Amino acid sequence: QITLKESGPTLVKPTQTLTLTCTFSGFSLSTNKMGVGWIRQPPGKALEWLALIFWDDDKRYSPSLKSRLTITKDTSKNQVVLTMTNMDPVDTGTYYCARTTYSGSFFFDSWGQGTLVTVSS
Amino acid sequence: NFMLTQPHSVSESPEKTVTISCTHSSGSIATNYVQWYQQRPGSAPTTVIYQDNQRPSGVPDRFSGSIDSSSNSASLTISGLKTEDEADYYCQSFDVNHLWVFGGGTKLTVL
Repeated sequence: QITLKESGPTLVKPTQTLTLTCTFSGFSLSTNKMGVGWIRQPPGKALEWLALIFWDDDKRYSPSLKSRLTITKDTSKNQVVLTMTNMDPVDTGTYYCARTTYSGSFFFDSWGQGTLVTVSS
Repeated sequence: NFMLTQPHSVSESPEKTVTISCTHSSGSIATNYVQWYQQRPGSAPTTVIYQDNQRPSGVPDRFSGSIDSSSNSASLTISGLKTEDEADYYCQSFDVNHLWVFGGGTKLTVL
């Protein structure tokens, strides 16, 4: 059974750095063509892809947020960490991590439950 | 970069068929595969279509996906609508650098 769970602060202040951890089970990020990504969703708004890291440490970032994001993995701990600098109230929303693997195409086939992050002073 | 444009909302009656479009703003919709995700209220998204028209195991065959190069768009069609299909639906594809792009989402109401 594949599970993913996001963890991190529920409240951050403007200008602070957000660090979120995705802890997963049921698969290994050292497996060929495996990846874990982060997606966020402001309240009542659409999904927005943020970043993704692949089994070979290839990293992809949303162009609009690239300067603020860093994604890393710890294969031994089955964790992926996302850091986002200089947080702003517009960054408030639910942050999801999700697994991707190749089956003719990459797609997010398993998602975490999401974690709500509020940016406020 | 490009955008994927979806209608804000659609509605239809139970047992009917509804189609949700996803229009690629530039380049060809056929260049990279399109996925569709369903998000019920208060829940995380789940995949209903990947690789343009493939269904993950467990997704009923009432869900189908297609690509239309003439309109440069992808479509998600749900037949035999059920009240449980009421959800937000998002299309997703990739840009030339294999970066992920989501559409703006469509709210499906089953009246």
